[in-house]
Amino acid sequence: GEDVEQSLFLSVREGDSSVINCTYTDSSSTYLYWYKQEPGAGLQLLTYIFSNMDMKQDQRLTVLLNKKDKHLSLRIADTQTGDSAIYFCAEKPLWPPAGGYNKLIFGAGTRLAVHP
Amino acid sequence: DVKVTQSSRYLVKRTGEKVFLECVQDMDHENMFWYRQDPGLGLRLIYFSYDVKMKEKGDIPEGYSVSREKKERFSLILESASTNQTSMYLCASSLQQNTEAFFGQGTRLTVV
Repeated sequence: GEDVEQSLFLSVREGDSSVINCTYTDSSSTYLYWYKQEPGAGLQLLTYIFSNMDMKQDQRLTVLLNKKDKHLSLRIADTQTGDSAIYFCAEKPLWPPAGGYNKLIFGAGTRLAVHP
Repeated sequence: DVKVTQSSRYLVKRTGEKVFLECVQDMDHENMFWYRQDPGLGLRLIYFSYDVKMKEKGDIPEGYSVSREKKERFSLILESASTNQTSMYLCASSLQQNTEAFFGQGTRLTVV
């Protein structure tokens, strides 16, 4: 079935790079997403990648996709205290067919703690 | 600016009460969703709607129902609240074919 897995915690020093990893099971997925949730807030889309891409870069964020291993990672360069949050990986499977709805399958979230 | 608004940030209800969680979006989106978020489990889809008066069960619909009488509003109903429904509830919306789902700020419900 569909499943998205992430490690639950990551602690990094301010200024270092953070790498948050995710694995998924549905090889038909068309889009893969990273959402950020700050304390007491809803989810905010950080970035997404099409399944036919290997890499996407957006300022301090780099997304790497290994389709063979079904592995997705989010790298945050020069991590700041404002990056402390929960990061969710999500996939959008092809099933059900397009024209119906956008069903996202979420991982459990990785809590990133940034310390001085 | 994109906006999904949930009517309450925090709610405390008693076991057995009927509870309404309201969500409104101002983006004319077709799709609307209700998720619950629990530590270590991530977001789980309760119900979604792809049009007015249309609804589909998600992964954990038991104990919940929904109502979508108008395009901009999607309500989650707990017919008889139970303590295992204590959770953070997140509403989201998206365009029919769009890649991005926009989330509300969440409602933290405690059932005592």
